[in-house]
Amino acid sequence: DADVTQTPRNRITKTGKRIMLECSQTKGHDRMYWYRQDPGLGLRLIYYSFDVKDINKGEISDGYSVSRQAQAKFSLSLESAIPNQTALYFCATSDFLAGTDTQYFGPGTRLTVL
Amino acid sequence: DAKTTQPPSMDCAEGRAANLPCNHSTISGNEYVYWYRQIHSQGPQYIIHGLKNNETNEMASLIITEDRKSSTLILPHATLRDTAVYYCIVRVRRGGSTLGRLYFGRGTQLTVWP
Repeated sequence: DADVTQTPRNRITKTGKRIMLECSQTKGHDRMYWYRQDPGLGLRLIYYSFDVKDINKGEISDGYSVSRQAQAKFSLSLESAIPNQTALYFCATSDFLAGTDTQYFGPGTRLTVL
Repeated sequence: DAKTTQPPSMDCAEGRAANLPCNHSTISGNEYVYWYRQIHSQGPQYIIHGLKNNETNEMASLIITEDRKSSTLILPHATLRDTAVYYCIVRVRRGGSTLGRLYFGRGTQLTVWP
C-alpha cells in the first residue's frame, strides 16, 4: 500500500552494526506494527504501538527496540545486528477508530546481516 | 486467538473461480475471520473479513458456515496476478477493540495457471 512506506527497501550490514528501519504512513492511523518474516514462514510480531505514548512488545522483541517519533512514524532498531536477524521486515498500520482495525502493510525491508 | 488450518497449496485455471478453504473449529463468538494475501515477498494485502454473515467486496467473497467452524474465500474470476499465498486469520474483537495482533500461519499457496 503506497500510503505506508518503508526505508530502506534493502540493506546489507555486518554483525554488530546498529541498524534502523523506518516506517512512515500518510493514512492517519493511530496504530503501527513491526513484523518479521523468515523464508517459508508466516509473519511474526516484533513490536506494536497503539499511539505515540503506547509501545508494546510482540512475540519476538528480544534484540530489537522501537521508537514512535510521531503518529505517522515508527522506527525499528537493531542495536547490534546478528545473522539470525536476516529477514524480511514489514511495517503495518491500522485505524482503531474506524472500527475494524484492519491492518495495512508496507512494501517491506529486506535485511541481510553478514 | 483460534488456530486455523489451510491446505498448503491449490491451483486454479485463469478465469475460473478459486475457492480457498479454511478450518477454524475452535473459533469463539467474538472472533472475526480475516483473509490476507502475500504476493511473492511483497507486503501482505488485506482482502476481506467477516464475523458470521457472508461478505463480498470488489476483490472476493467470504462464505462462513453457519456453525462458523470453517470458511471459504472465493476469487470469482482468478487471474495470473492472483497467484499468491493466502492467509486465513481469526482475530478477537472485544469491547469494540481488537488485540491488534495478526497471527499468520503458513497459508495456502494459490497458483493460477493460464
